[in-house]
Amino acid sequence: DAKTTQPNSMESNEEEPVHLPCNHSTISGTDYIHWYRQLPSQGPEYVIHGLTSNVNNRMASLAIAEDRKSSTLILHRATLRDAAVYYCILSRNNNDMRFGAGTRLTVKP
Amino acid sequence: KAGVTQTPRYLIKTRGQQVTLSCSPISGHRSVSWYQQTPGQGLQFLFEYFSETQRNKGNFPGRFSGRQFSNSRSEMNVSTLELGDSALYLCASSLVMTVNEQFFGPGTRLTVL
Repeated sequence: DAKTTQPNSMESNEEEPVHLPCNHSTISGTDYIHWYRQLPSQGPEYVIHGLTSNVNNRMASLAIAEDRKSSTLILHRATLRDAAVYYCILSRNNNDMRFGAGTRLTVKP
Repeated sequence: KAGVTQTPRYLIKTRGQQVTLSCSPISGHRSVSWYQQTPGQGLQFLFEYFSETQRNKGNFPGRFSGRQFSNSRSEMNVSTLELGDSALYLCASSLVMTVNEQFFGPGTRLTVL
């Protein structure tokens, strides 16, 4: 299985943009890139996913490198509610998600 | 629209016992996946069911099993419980099996004494 590498933790100030990086150098052509987040005492929550092109939705943007070996989740204006563990996951055409350790995002007021 | 529900929310068992956890997916969702979350191992995929058939399986021993009913509700069973089975068990549902958004339930917290 292709693996992902994320920083253990990151900090951001409220109302500033946040760029969460993810490296996946062994990604295959059929691997989708997914991002989920998990708030304290809750199950994971879907954020965004993409294959090759950059993606935007109401929660975030996903920027995928041209060689697909890395990607960045962008939260345009961080709020205190965005404090969570963010997981970058690769999966091939199914829901078999292999979660890594994720990045713990702290948002400072 | 009701979210994914899991019952029970908390459970305490002793070593050697067996346990059955239940998951009701969002109405209309046909795919159900199960995950185990522990502080040491993080979130690990157990298995996925679609149309009452197991489609994918993670690296867990045969003591972990599951099934899905015709109404898409799913159960997972753990037999001969071990202390290491103490974890949060999460269920996730999605419309279909192909790549799309999964909706997670709140989980069942299992403690094995």
